Amino acid sequence: AQSVTQPDIHITVSEGASLELRCNYSYGATPYLFWYVQSPGQGLQLLLKYFSGDTLVQGIKGFEAEFKRSQSSFNLRKPSVHWSDAAEYFCAVGAGFLYGNKLVFGAGTILRVKS
Amino acid sequence: GAVVSQHPSRVICKSGTSVKIECRSLDFQATTMFWYRQFPKKSLMLMATSNEGSKATYEQGVEKDKFLINHASLTLSTLTVTSAHPEDSSFYICSARDASGGNNEQFFGPGTRLTVL
Repeated sequence: AQSVTQPDIHITVSEGASLELRCNYSYGATPYLFWYVQSPGQGLQLLLKYFSGDTLVQGIKGFEAEFKRSQSSFNLRKPSVHWSDAAEYFCAVGAGFLYGNKLVFGAGTILRVKS
Repeated sequence: GAVVSQHPSRVICKSGTSVKIECRSLDFQATTMFWYRQFPKKSLMLMATSNEGSKATYEQGVEKDKFLINHASLTLSTLTVTSAHPEDSSFYICSARDASGGNNEQFFGPGTRLTVL
């Protein structure tokens, strides 16, 4: 069965510092991979997605992620964090048609930004 | 872009009553919609997959008689929490899959906060 691991429950970074949020997945076929951001009491906003092609994916708000098949990873990065980036971030893997096109989410990483 | 709405955004009800939550795809047709539940400080748990014109598929451990799902049209799915109890209090989020899309992307609604007193 497919699964997603986000090893860091909380991360605190200083404003202006770089950020990397880790995501590892387990899936037998070529995965569809997503990063979402959620502010408190809000729904999910898609930051970026990977389906195929270039393994370095650019997203909104200055985020990028790199798909590394050999490491089963899809880490999210941002070169300079802004205070408004404080939120919870979820990595997800799409399970494909045979599994009802479901998304499996990681546990999430809460990002705190200190000034 | 694809927009999904949910109504209501927040609802408070008494124990024993039923609550209906609507999920609408506003600018696309969704043959498949998904209902998630999110506990405080937790990830999203898929409750069920709703396919237009057919019965919903529930995940293991989700009571289908308690969480009634109807997907009567390509733009609307409803989740009814029947005989709600305080333990049903949660944040419910729906998502919709674009019927014309060839990929696995889901578009999420803003969520509904249910509080059962």
